[in-house]
Amino acid sequence: DQQVKQNSPSLSVQEGRISILNCDYTNSMFDYFLWYKKYPAEGPTFLISISSIKDKNEDGRFTVFLNKSAKHLSLHIVPSQPGDSAVYFCAASAPQKLVFGQGTRLTINP
Amino acid sequence: DAGVTQSPTHLIKTRGQHVTLRCSPISGHKSVSWYQQVLGQGPQFIFQYYEKEERGRGNFPDRFSARQFPNYSSELNVNALLLGDSALYLCASSPHTGGYSYGYTFGSGTRLTVV
Repeated sequence: DQQVKQNSPSLSVQEGRISILNCDYTNSMFDYFLWYKKYPAEGPTFLISISSIKDKNEDGRFTVFLNKSAKHLSLHIVPSQPGDSAVYFCAASAPQKLVFGQGTRLTINP
Repeated sequence: DAGVTQSPTHLIKTRGQHVTLRCSPISGHKSVSWYQQVLGQGPQFIFQYYEKEERGRGNFPDRFSARQFPNYSSELNVNALLLGDSALYLCASSPHTGGYSYGYTFGSGTRLTVV
């Protein structure tokens, strides 16, 4: 029972362009959604979050959009930089835990 | 300030053996959670401990157990290791129990290989 899904295992984007990572969820009781970034041999690092009562949250180059009716959220990175190449995880907050998607490997090409 | 520290960073065990993984949370954080990340998947919740008490448990067999000490550090124990237990084990600390609103900070993990 995969409650949080990232259907794109990988994404390749040219440097300077927009990167859009997508995430779908099934449980309407989740109260927060988060994006984590993970480099090899490191733990996940918090990037940005959004409350379920909002539809947009922006932090510098990163913007997260939430569409509750579609149970869908997306992370926009503009402009994409080489250092953004990493695995990105979408996560939903449930009591006492986070529920993660499978991850999307983002590669930024020069 | 030190972040979340985990030890060891890597280890190799044989099927049927037992393993103990350790985690020290950020100073002042009272909650520790454990996650298992299998290659190609997202982290899966195993346990959360707060003030030395288990506050949440994921869908893992009884071979998995954990405890939290008075200094808030934690151990994850896995008995009768199976090949499928090979994974990156992540520890996360947070100031309190409960949901996201209190924040989670992850350690770099312990890479366990079972042969």
